[in-house]
Amino acid sequence: AQSVTQPDIHITVSEGASLELRCNYSYGATPYLFWYVQSPGQGLQLLLKYFSGDTLVQGIKGFEAEFKRSQSSFNLRKPSVHWSDAAEYFCAVAGERGYQKVTFGTGTKLQVIP
Amino acid sequence: DVKVTQSSRYLVKRTGEKVFLECVQDMDHENMFWYRQDPGLGLRLIYFSYDVKMKEKGDIPEGYSVSREKKERFSLILESASTNQTSMYLCASSPPSRVNQETQYFGPGTRLLVL
Repeated sequence: AQSVTQPDIHITVSEGASLELRCNYSYGATPYLFWYVQSPGQGLQLLLKYFSGDTLVQGIKGFEAEFKRSQSSFNLRKPSVHWSDAAEYFCAVAGERGYQKVTFGTGTKLQVIP
Repeated sequence: DVKVTQSSRYLVKRTGEKVFLECVQDMDHENMFWYRQDPGLGLRLIYFSYDVKMKEKGDIPEGYSVSREKKERFSLILESASTNQTSMYLCASSPPSRVNQETQYFGPGTRLLVL
């Protein structure tokens, strides 16, 4: 069965600092990987996704993620965090079923301090 | 832009009541999903539907049922609400999966409190 681990429940960074959110997945073949963001009181919005090809994926809002098969990881990065990036971030994996069963991680809540 | 709307943002119900949560999408997507979101547990799939009148159980279907009579509308039903169903409920839709897994588009969520 597919699974996702986000080891950090809560992260605090200063505005302007770099950010890396960790995600480890478990899946037998090449997975489909996603990062979603949830701002307070909102639904989830897709930041980026990886299906195949270049392992460094660019997303919206200046985010990027790198797929590392050897480490079963898909970490999300941003070089300079803005206060508006404060939100909860979810990593997700899919691939096991044709009807798009997506498994989400438990989320990482990002706090940005001035 | 894809729009997924949910009938209520906040809902308060009493134990034993029958509860309907409605979700509508405007992009003619085949697939629709219901999740519940709880702190520390992330999103868990309750049910999904890949076509009108078709449904499949997700990871936590107990205590819930669904209805999809029209392509754009997917309803989640709590037959007899219980306090452990207090949660945030998120609806999502996506186009059909071909070779790749498509993006899911989410509604704003319904926060349900069962007293």
